[in-house]
Amino acid sequence: GAVVSQHPSWVICKSGTSVKIECRSLDFQATTMFWYRQFPKQSLMLMATSNEGSKATYEQGVEKDKFLINHASLTLSTLTVTSAHPEDSSFYICSAPGWARDEQFFGPGTRLTVL
Amino acid sequence: DAKTTQPPSMDCAEGRAANLPCNHSTISGNEYVYWYRQIHSQGPQYIIHGLKNNETNEMASLIITEDRKSSTLILPHATLRDTAVYYCIVRVGGSGTYKYIFGTGTRLKVLA
Repeated sequence: GAVVSQHPSWVICKSGTSVKIECRSLDFQATTMFWYRQFPKQSLMLMATSNEGSKATYEQGVEKDKFLINHASLTLSTLTVTSAHPEDSSFYICSAPGWARDEQFFGPGTRLTVL
Repeated sequence: DAKTTQPPSMDCAEGRAANLPCNHSTISGNEYVYWYRQIHSQGPQYIIHGLKNNETNEMASLIITEDRKSSTLILPHATLRDTAVYYCIVRVGGSGTYKYIFGTGTRLKVLA
């Protein structure tokens, strides 16, 4: 099956710094990727849809200037958490849709801890 | 807003069938029902999906009521490795522009 990777798998940073998370589709191309956030013992919340070659579409309540998304190629989308604060600590997961079974393939997630 | 409602937790004996219910009473006619599961601190894994008809694959069966307001995921012979959080999801939007709306999930614990 299709594989989606994320890098890094975990990151710890100081408050006020920016953190970049990469999402790659390893063996298929994805014009669209999705970014989710998951707090402990909660469900996944869709943050934004990343579109190759155009601006991302953000869900209501998600700050565009806080969570910068760039979909630079058909296999790479990046999420940058700018000026991170402790409340941004969470599990960030990306996904990309496949065409064979109309399903989404999820990455393994990135755990962000902001001190 | 989530379009699905699931019980927060369930237990199932190993080797028995696990039946996980989901309510999606506000689902629209062209919206699919998907099931994924998430093992601790990993990305969700696809299980099965359907629109109107019942579906079966190597992992599970999906039973959708005729009015499409609810569905049940059936794991025919649960094993300890099936312990996970199971999400019933409604896919909204058309082909190429869709997105998933996750519900709160059911934490399934398979007991030895």
